[in-house]
Amino acid sequence: KAGVTQTPRYLIKTRGQQVTLSCSPISGHRSVSWYQQTPGQGLQFLFEYFSETQRNKGNFPGRFSGRQFSNSRSEMNVSTLELGDSALYLCASRLAGTERIETQYFGPGTRLLVL
Amino acid sequence: AQSVTQLGSHVSVSEGALVLLRCNYSSSVPPYLFWYVQYPNQGLQLLLKYTSAATLVKGINGFEAEFKKSETSFHLTKPSAHMSDAAEYFCAVSSNSGYALNFGKGTSLLVTP
Repeated sequence: KAGVTQTPRYLIKTRGQQVTLSCSPISGHRSVSWYQQTPGQGLQFLFEYFSETQRNKGNFPGRFSGRQFSNSRSEMNVSTLELGDSALYLCASRLAGTERIETQYFGPGTRLLVL
Repeated sequence: AQSVTQLGSHVSVSEGALVLLRCNYSSSVPPYLFWYVQYPNQGLQLLLKYTSAATLVKGINGFEAEFKKSETSFHLTKPSAHMSDAAEYFCAVSSNSGYALNFGKGTSLLVTP
């Protein structure tokens, strides 16, 4: 099976712009989560989507949003970019089956640089 | 809220030596704990997870971790380090809200010849 794929892998934007990142989960996985990784704050949970609905949300401003499509693919959007949004954005998928605690499988990430 | 603390942002070991990466958790309920590894320019890969089935958890690549409730610890060990083990290691706990993971700050493992 193909793993979690994220596009694009690298992105450069300027302050004030908006950006959309894409994530394709492992085939059959129905849940997608997003994380932000920065040197200062480490890995932080952004949000999780399941069946096209946001189920959990981390402590991020409303500029960060996401959505999930019927094929489980997910996008996250950041509007009005700030320098501090420069980070590696990781997507993770899980099956969302009957196992109490499932493994989340991570993609390689999208590295965003805001100038 | 549940959280984890990783002691030591950098650990250096010789090839063939014991690897010990420390993780302490804070949780008011039985936690679900994980160890992930991140190689340069890659995403995270699960090494092992604790789900209360057994206190000693064996993972991939020869790693294992022991859950000690009395010490609120979940340290990661490997008897003999390989050069290929050099990477960033993250301990994580599943949050109260479900599947969101709360990660530690990470420990960078350096393996010297």
